[in-house]
Amino acid sequence: DTEVTQTPKHLVMGMTNKKSLKCEQHMGHRAMYWYKQKAKKPPELMFVYSYEKLSINESVPSRFSPECPNSSLLNLHLHALQPEDSALYLCASSPSGANVLTFGAGSRLTVL
Amino acid sequence: EDQVTQSPEALRLQEGESSSLNCSYTVSGLRGLFWYRQDPGKGPEFLFTLYSAGEEKEKERLKATLTKKESFLHITAPKPEDSATYLCAVQAITGFQKLVFGTGTRLLVSP
Repeated sequence: DTEVTQTPKHLVMGMTNKKSLKCEQHMGHRAMYWYKQKAKKPPELMFVYSYEKLSINESVPSRFSPECPNSSLLNLHLHALQPEDSALYLCASSPSGANVLTFGAGSRLTVL
Repeated sequence: EDQVTQSPEALRLQEGESSSLNCSYTVSGLRGLFWYRQDPGKGPEFLFTLYSAGEEKEKERLKATLTKKESFLHITAPKPEDSATYLCAVQAITGFQKLVFGTGTRLLVSP
């Protein structure tokens, strides 16, 4: 299995909702990442988990809360988002921090 | 601060018309330079990693090269299925868990 699976593919939420994005990989990778990508812009790093511990937080607002329950799963909990948070959220994994990243197909988030 | 600049922003080619995409970078010690391909609404797909100046890698119609300041992605005799956004990213020695992406080149290959 050489894939990173993200669910849901599309999510529409109001500013008062609480929702979660999920990411799963079964490649035995020990580093997992969340990136945010706005239209026609490059992916921007949000969080990095290494061996299930948060190693990088790129000063992301607290309305985004990451969680790594085990080495195969990565969640991004969303609460009280703003319309400007609408974007494609990409999950990625790598064998360790200094290797090629494998990206998922992304979750398209729309905040109304 | 590590920076990546890609040019051109967009490129339209006829099928079979070869060209090159440019990626200029400034980084505090390069660990690796990566090329990814991204189709609309999908995640980036890995193409190449280059680690040192003078290195070259090839895959089908694509060839990536690296100097101390820039990388080129050469596309030979492109086909319509090569249409995509091509992203360049750098990984620094000090911040090795972080990829810094350029804004990409949107390539359209017409039949």
